[in-house]
Amino acid sequence: AQTVTQSQPEMSVQEAETVTLSCTYDTSESDYYLFWYKQPPSRQMILVIRQEAYKQQNATENRFSVNFQKAAKSFSLKISDSQLGDAAMYFCALHQGAQKLVFGQGTRLTINP
Amino acid sequence: DAMVIQNPRYQVTQFGKPVTLSCSQTLNHNVMYWYQQKSSQAPKLLFHYYDKDFNNEADTPDNFQSRRPNTSFCFLDIRSPGLGDAAMYLCATSRDGGRSQPQHFGDGTRLSIL
Repeated sequence: AQTVTQSQPEMSVQEAETVTLSCTYDTSESDYYLFWYKQPPSRQMILVIRQEAYKQQNATENRFSVNFQKAAKSFSLKISDSQLGDAAMYFCALHQGAQKLVFGQGTRLTINP
Repeated sequence: DAMVIQNPRYQVTQFGKPVTLSCSQTLNHNVMYWYQQKSSQAPKLLFHYYDKDFNNEADTPDNFQSRRPNTSFCFLDIRSPGLGDAAMYLCATSRDGGRSQPQHFGDGTRLSIL
């Protein structure tokens, strides 16, 4: 069975600093996608970044980047120059096929001004 | 421009009184999902439609039903809500559920049970 684990229930960072959120996963598939979603308080969940397992190059979207370690089954999210608007729950997710995502438990990120 | 629209944002119902939540989408996506999300937890998939094909998760209670009358609309029916059904309900879509495709979420409906 596919699983996704986020071992940090909560994280905090000073505004303008860098923070890394951890995610590990388990799958028997060789071709899969990983996603990071952001869910601000009382607002919709939105896609932050995605990574294809076959691509060695780490995905980057502006201040957001990932460190994808396929052998270690690790997929961490780095947020650079943290902003107050980055405060949210962050969910790591694995596309397990059959049109479905498997989500991690989430990490609540607080930005300290 | 909202692409996945859920109504209402907040719904209050009485214990045991049937309730329907609605979701519409302007993306013309084939797949629509319903999730239940309790406080500070990951979304839990209840079921999804691929076009008209209904796919129920094995652990979704019979109390939860869904309808998809057309591509744009999908409904979640809770036949006899219990206190444990109080949660945020999220609707999401995907173009065809492929591995590379992200899901697009609505704002959610927060359901309270009196």
